[in-house]
Amino acid sequence: KNEVEQSPQNLTAQEGEFITINCSYSVGISALHWLQQHPGGGIVSLFMLSSGKKKHGRLIATINIQEKHSSLHITASHPRDSAVYICAVSYELVFGKGTKLTVNP
Amino acid sequence: GAGVSQSPRYKVAKRGQDVALRCDPISGHVSLFWYQQALGQGPEFLTYFQNEAQLDKSGLPSDRFFAERPEGSVSTLKIQRTQQEDSAVYLCASSLVGQGTNGYTFGSGTRLTVV
Repeated sequence: KNEVEQSPQNLTAQEGEFITINCSYSVGISALHWLQQHPGGGIVSLFMLSSGKKKHGRLIATINIQEKHSSLHITASHPRDSAVYICAVSYELVFGKGTKLTVNP
Repeated sequence: GAGVSQSPRYKVAKRGQDVALRCDPISGHVSLFWYQQALGQGPEFLTYFQNEAQLDKSGLPSDRFFAERPEGSVSTLKIQRTQQEDSAVYLCASSLVGQGTNGYTFGSGTRLTVV
């Protein structure tokens, strides 16, 4: 079974700061997912990527397949970005434990 | 429907009671997944359906857990003789094609509390 590690576990930032969340996994994969979970349980799929980089608004996700590592970046962070960000791999989704992000105004 | 719908949103069960949790995926989505998320933890895979076929049930924690998707659309996760350790949020996700290769849509989950 793939092991997925995320860091940091908790992250507090000031509005406007550049945020980086890291994810590493142990077994080669075909795709990696970044997900966002707000209080109350709702999970939203942000990115699915298998190589390179994807950008959506202020969110950027990168993956290095050789190093088994991915990063999620948030530019110009805003309090509404506060959520748990989760990385997941494999078709059945093996999840990391998540990174709780709090952005203060 | 427009999204994945789960019901009930909240369920309180007495220990030993049987419960049934429903997931209504996006119409036409082939793949359906169930996850269990304990408080403060990431979701854990329970089982996967492709249409009506249950292709992977390796994550079901015990034989008290049973899932079905008889017509390849709505799915039910049943937990028999509930125990306190079953308290968690149960999430359902669906995907258009097999094995979630084009991304997943999640329901809001059912929060089960066993007292």
